[in-house]
Amino acid sequence: GAGVSQSPSNKVTEKGKDVELRCDPISGHTALYWYRQSLGQGLEFLIYFQGNSAPDKSGLPSDRFSAERTGGSVSTLTIQRTQQEDSAVYLCASSLARLANTGELFFGEGSRLTVL
Amino acid sequence: GENVEQHPSTLSVQEGDSAVIKCTYSDSASNYFPWYKQELGKRPQLIIDIRSNVGEKKDQRIAVTLNKTAKHFSLHITETQPEDSAVYFCAAGYSGGYNKLIFGAGTRLAVHP
Repeated sequence: GAGVSQSPSNKVTEKGKDVELRCDPISGHTALYWYRQSLGQGLEFLIYFQGNSAPDKSGLPSDRFSAERTGGSVSTLTIQRTQQEDSAVYLCASSLARLANTGELFFGEGSRLTVL
Repeated sequence: GENVEQHPSTLSVQEGDSAVIKCTYSDSASNYFPWYKQELGKRPQLIIDIRSNVGEKKDQRIAVTLNKTAKHFSLHITETQPEDSAVYFCAAGYSGGYNKLIFGAGTRLAVHP
């Protein structure tokens, strides 16, 4: 596709339910990131995938959060037993991230999660 | 790990004035410093970036400066216009195969006509 695609765009769930958020990066981009943006706040790093390397999970806030990237393309962020403080916009971004590249991140529109 | 501090959190200027946003980073290995602009309800987009081998870069009304010794970099917007109103994020990372970027908390810039 032309850009990074995320789904769903909006998700309302009840506290304690599990949710899955999907990201389709730009074709050929080896790097994929998940960030969280709470209302009026900054971009909080969650997890980073680079090619076939082990992901950098250092930003995941708890063990309720996990992410996968299958076949080096699509990624799914899973939040188990959601809490109200998980409410935020979850942004995915992809990048070429090669040595001579600018390293520009291309963001998706985000998935807005509301936990009631 | 990398930590990026950004100031101010909000900035209000009159149209035509200059705006300056400052960031500091903690990891001396960082060598790539981009700035992203996020308009209301939209996704962040890259507006300018700088690598550690230069001290300044300009693109029309925007410029970035970098002081590696002080681990400090800044965004300068001259002749501000209402369409410059947005949230601006600085970031720091290492570019070269491993490109994890850590963002600052953002600066909400309001340009008043």
